[in-house]
Parts: sequence; structure tokens; C-alpha cells
Amino acid sequence: GESVGLHLPTLSVQEGDNSIINCAYSNSASDYFIWYKQESGKGPQFIIDIRSNMDKRQGQRVTVLLNKTVKHLSLQIAATQPGDSAVYFCAENPYSGAGSYQLTFGKGTKLSVIP
Amino acid sequence: NAGVTQTPKFRVLKTGQSMTLLCAQDMNHEYMYWYRQDPGMGLRLIHYSVGEGTTAKGEVPDGYNVSRLKKQNFLLGLESAAPSQTSVYFCASSYGATGQQYFGPGTRLTVT
Repeated sequence: GESVGLHLPTLSVQEGDNSIINCAYSNSASDYFIWYKQESGKGPQFIIDIRSNMDKRQGQRVTVLLNKTVKHLSLQIAATQPGDSAVYFCAENPYSGAGSYQLTFGKGTKLSVIP
Repeated sequence: NAGVTQTPKFRVLKTGQSMTLLCAQDMNHEYMYWYRQDPGMGLRLIHYSVGEGTTAKGEVPDGYNVSRLKKQNFLLGLESAAPSQTSVYFCASSYGATGQQYFGPGTRLTVT
């Protein structure tokens, strides 16, 4: 089954509000997590990443929180703008000990920003 | 610096036909990947390469072959296309085994 999943498939947010997109993962060996944004008809675009030795990382208007106790990852977008409308994917990279080359992606959450 | 490019952007095939998708990157990345994306699903790894001359199977390799003859190029081949291979194909590259993967714009393939 899915090793990475999302709590909500769609999320509608008023422009200017904060958005929170959640992601659950099941592999406790994962040591790297990444969020991608995918606009319609385009390839995924990197937003932010975090390693398992951290519980929070901030970027420009975005924050990723990692809770290893409950295997939960979230992406917070501050002051959501219409340009943030897209599908957001989380992905995990389990450490296999011999080098890990595969990202496992969730199914995605569609964020719609209401003007 | 073009990043990751893919050709073609669109293609329609009949069942049984063959084709090759080309991925090129100009970032001198060692690792390259081919994914497929189907409606309502995330990206699934088909094949990947950890360096020139190497390839390995991912999650869904059946029906596909790959080659990495040059470091900057990663080719995905379909020898005998099937309708189940209708999908959007993305190529990606990365500097290391973990870390950000850079994606191309995708190839939309329809097999009738």
C-alpha cells in the first residue's frame, strides 16, 4: 500500500489565509522528506525539504514540520496567494543502509485559493 | 542553463508500436530517474540510473527499458506500447542519492 499518504485530497483556502497541508508516512526508517508543488501541465517543482534530525524548517512563506513520533509531516504556507493554487506532493526517502535512490511520493493534495 | 528537458512533449501511439523518450540535463547530475504519473496518483518510479552506463529498476519497470550511454542523457523506451502505458512521463535528475530531484516538464503519451 501507500507508504506516504495525505489526510485531505483537496483544500480550499481564502486568499491571505494560511494553508496547512498534511502528510502521513509509514516508514520509520525514512530520513529525508521533501515537498513538491505541481501546477497544471507542468513538472513538480521543489518547495522545501527536511531531514530526520530536524523537526522544523522554514523557507520563504513556507514551513515544514516533522513529527517523527506520529510519523507526520506538514507544509504550512503563509498568506496564501492565487499563485499557490496547485497540487502539493510530499515524498519520503527511506535510508536503506546501502544508499537509497528512490523517493516515494504521496498521491497529492490539491490546493485551491479563493480570491 | 536549461535544467531538465524532455522530448517529445506529446505523443500518440497505436498498440504495439515502439518509441523512445529522451531526457537531457545540463547540471552534471549523476542520478537520473523516470517516473510515470497517472490521474489521482502520485509519481511512480519506473527506472533510475546512478551514473553513466548504469541503470536499475524502480517500482513499475515492466514494459519499459532504459539506457544511460551519456551522463547528461537518460532514454526511456517502450518496445511494444500498451493502452496501460497511457500516462504522463517525467524525468528527473539529482546530484546525490538523497536530496532534491529536479524534474522536466513531462511527456504526455496516449496509447490507443
